[in-house]
Amino acid sequence: AQTVTQSQPEMSVQEAETVTLSCTYDTSENNYYLFWYKQPPSRQMILVIRQEAYKQQNATENRFSVNFQKAAKSFSLKISDSQLGDTAMYFCAFDFNKFYFGSGTKLNVKP
Amino acid sequence: DTGVSQDPRHKITKRGQNVTFRCDPISEHNRLYWYRQTLGQGPEFLTYFQNEAQLEKSRLLSDRFSAERPKGSFSTLEIQRTEQGDSAMYLCASSLASQGGSGNTIYFGEGSWLTVV
Repeated sequence: AQTVTQSQPEMSVQEAETVTLSCTYDTSENNYYLFWYKQPPSRQMILVIRQEAYKQQNATENRFSVNFQKAAKSFSLKISDSQLGDTAMYFCAFDFNKFYFGSGTKLNVKP
Repeated sequence: DTGVSQDPRHKITKRGQNVTFRCDPISEHNRLYWYRQTLGQGPEFLTYFQNEAQLEKSRLLSDRFSAERPKGSFSTLEIQRTEQGDSAMYLCASSLASQGGSGNTIYFGEGSWLTVV
């Protein structure tokens, strides 16, 4: 069975600063995909970034980047130049036929 | 593209009543998922369809829950004899799955909130 662990229930960051959200997972599979999703307050979940496990290069998407360590089964999300609109719940997800989600990290960006 | 739509957005029901939620996926998406989310938690997998076939159902799901996707387009999730523990947000998501089945971005609806009183 696949499990995803997010050990930081809540984090705060000042606007324009950088923050890193942690995620670890457990699987016996070799080829899979990892995602970060964002869920703003009272709004639907949207994709932030996607990583293919067979690619060593870390994915980046504008201010969002990941640090993927396959051997350590770690998949952290770095948000640079944090903006007020980044305030949301962030969910790490493991995809192998279906998505397994972590419990989420609530990120609060302070002005 | 109208996105994934869910109906109703909010439902309050008395314990013991049946409720049904509907999900309309993004057109041409062949995969449809149902998840349940409680406050402060991540989405929990319930079931998913590939076209009209229900490929997997969570072992955590009791027999009171049933889902259908009769023509491979919209889907319904029915909860019979609701209990207070069923109170949650029910999320629908869809994707265009490749042959391998993984790696495809799933797109979520806004969810259907259920409150059982």
